[in-house]
Amino acid sequence: GENVEQHPSTLSVQEGDSAVIKCTYSDSASNYFPWYKQELGKRPQLIIDIRSNVGEKKDQRIAVTLNKTAKHFSLHITETQPEDSAVYFCAARGSNYKLTFGKGTLLTVNP
Amino acid sequence: ETGVTQTPRHLVMGMTNKKSLKCEQHLGHNAMYWYKQSAKKPLELMFVYSLEERVENNSVPSRFSPECPNSSHLFLHLHTLQPEDSALYLCASSQGDLRTYEQYFGPGTRLTVT
Repeated sequence: GENVEQHPSTLSVQEGDSAVIKCTYSDSASNYFPWYKQELGKRPQLIIDIRSNVGEKKDQRIAVTLNKTAKHFSLHITETQPEDSAVYFCAARGSNYKLTFGKGTLLTVNP
Repeated sequence: ETGVTQTPRHLVMGMTNKKSLKCEQHLGHNAMYWYKQSAKKPLELMFVYSLEERVENNSVPSRFSPECPNSSHLFLHLHTLQPEDSALYLCASSQGDLRTYEQYFGPGTRLTVT
């Protein structure tokens, strides 16, 4: 089955800096890669996603890149703000409908 | 809250108790999911229902029993649980082809088994 590795497990940045979270996956048939943000005590919420026919997608301060050959994808947050502090999860969906999640990255943005 | 709701939000139960978790989605979706979220572990898919039919049982112990009476409601019946079953149980729903649409999560039920 699919295996998703996510790094780092914790990330601390200063406000205004950029943050990058990386994930690798094992199933070459995976074709959908969402990123979820989960604030403390709240539900995971989709913040951006990318499909396998696209290499990069951007939404304001958030961007995701996908390298299908290397089977890795990354989340980039620019100009970080304290409200970006949360746990971020990557996921990959293989040839079936199942989403396999990474273990999460705790991002702390220090003011 | 709208979208996907879950009750109760917190539950403490003994190992001999029987309880049920409830999920309701108000989005008109036709697929619903149960996930388990434990500390320092990835979200684990437990069950998937599509059009009220179970399409996935991800090697979950029989002490967890799902029920999907209609496309808006999903239950997780619990009995003789173990302390290691303590976790956040998240419900999610999605619309359309299970392979292409995003999943919307509920707020979760924080379960503690004593």
